[in-house]
Amino acid sequence: AQTVTQSQPEMSVQEAETVTLSCTYDTSESDYYLFWYKQPPSRQMILVIRQEAYKQQNATENRFSVNFQKAAKSFSLKISDSQLGDAAMYFCAYRSAKETSGSRLTFGEGTQLTVNP
Amino acid sequence: ETGVTQSPTHLIKTRGQQVTLRCSSQSGHNTVSWYQQALGQGPQFIFQYYREEENGRGNFPPRFSGLQFPNYSSELNVNALELDDSALYLCASSFDTDSTEAFFGQGTRLTVV
Repeated sequence: AQTVTQSQPEMSVQEAETVTLSCTYDTSESDYYLFWYKQPPSRQMILVIRQEAYKQQNATENRFSVNFQKAAKSFSLKISDSQLGDAAMYFCAYRSAKETSGSRLTFGEGTQLTVNP
Repeated sequence: ETGVTQSPTHLIKTRGQQVTLRCSSQSGHNTVSWYQQALGQGPQFIFQYYREEENGRGNFPPRFSGLQFPNYSSELNVNALELDDSALYLCASSFDTDSTEAFFGQGTRLTVV
């Protein structure tokens, strides 16, 4: 079974600064997907960024980028130029690429990000 | 907005009762997954439905059951409610089981007293 670990329950950052959220995972599979989701107080999970394990290039979406280290099973999220609207709970998630797994996601425990003005 | 709607938004039930939660998936999506998110934790996978059939199940007892209808909307039923069932229940729809993007609803907050 796959596991996802987020070792930082809480993080804070000053507005306009950069922050990195950590995530490690454990799997015996070679093909999978990794995600970062944001959950604001509205409770709705919003996809921030996605990484395919077979791609060596790190994914980037505007101010959000990842550092994917497959051998180390590490998947950190960097938020640049932090904005007040980035404040939320962030979840790292794993999805197997096996057809039998469907779109099942395994989530970490989450990191609560506070952005200070 | 993702186009995935859940009802009701909040619910209070008594231990031992039964509850039904509903999810309307995004148009064109035939796959629905349900997750349980206890306070302060990450979501846990309950099960997934694909074209009206259960297509995967997490580590939840049989009193958690579901349905998917021909229009791909879905229900989560929980029998014999326990206090530990108090949680946020999230529904996520996907275009297909191979889709790498899941669209989440805003959840139903269930409180069991």
